[in-house]
Amino acid sequence: EEQLVESGGGLIQPGGSLRLSCVGSGFTFNNYAMSWVRQAPGKGLEWLSVIGGSGGNTVYADSVKGRFTISRDNSKNTVFLQMNSLRAEDTAVYYCAKDPNFVPAPSTVWGQGTLVIVSS
Amino acid sequence: EIVLTQSPDFQSVTPKEKLTITCRASQSIGSSLHWYQQKPGQSPKLLIKYASQSFSGVPSRFSGSGSGTDFTLTINSLETEDAATYYCHQTSRLPKTFGQGTKVEIK
Repeated sequence: EEQLVESGGGLIQPGGSLRLSCVGSGFTFNNYAMSWVRQAPGKGLEWLSVIGGSGGNTVYADSVKGRFTISRDNSKNTVFLQMNSLRAEDTAVYYCAKDPNFVPAPSTVWGQGTLVIVSS
Repeated sequence: EIVLTQSPDFQSVTPKEKLTITCRASQSIGSSLHWYQQKPGQSPKLLIKYASQSFSGVPSRFSGSGSGTDFTLTINSLETEDAATYYCHQTSRLPKTFGQGTKVEIK
């Protein structure tokens, strides 16, 4: 069974940094692009970033460009989201997702999400 | 970036009714439009990919159509388990974007 498990969420003060991790299993990890999507409390889905299977290609939403960095370690079947200069509006559940390709395939498998709360 | 606008924002329906949700893109996206279902406390689940292709394991009462800028998700003979929020999602151009969601309540 294909599975994604996120971790690393928690309470962080404004201006702080946090690194989220997502471990994949049940599929050949480096064959797939990976995305991060977030959902603020009571709000809709917001796409954040995608990284290609080899890690060479990355794209970001304008809302996080320059503050967030996506990366991956294929030897550990893990994708990361480094989040810097966090703001209250970054409070959300963060999901990682498996993409059959960089574009245009949709995400087919999602993790359960990890909650990030940015508050003093 | 491409903006996706869904309508309606909310719909209350009775079981066995037919429901149609529309999604309009701010520019042409071909058929790179997909539909997700999200129930409270759960992660999104892919229903329809590339406008009209059913994803594996999705009940046949869910169908999609459209191309270019106008798309629809149709749920025939709604069941109580279909209570959820539905999102359209475009992957034609980066950054990828989602619609604002349509919440469906079953009376």
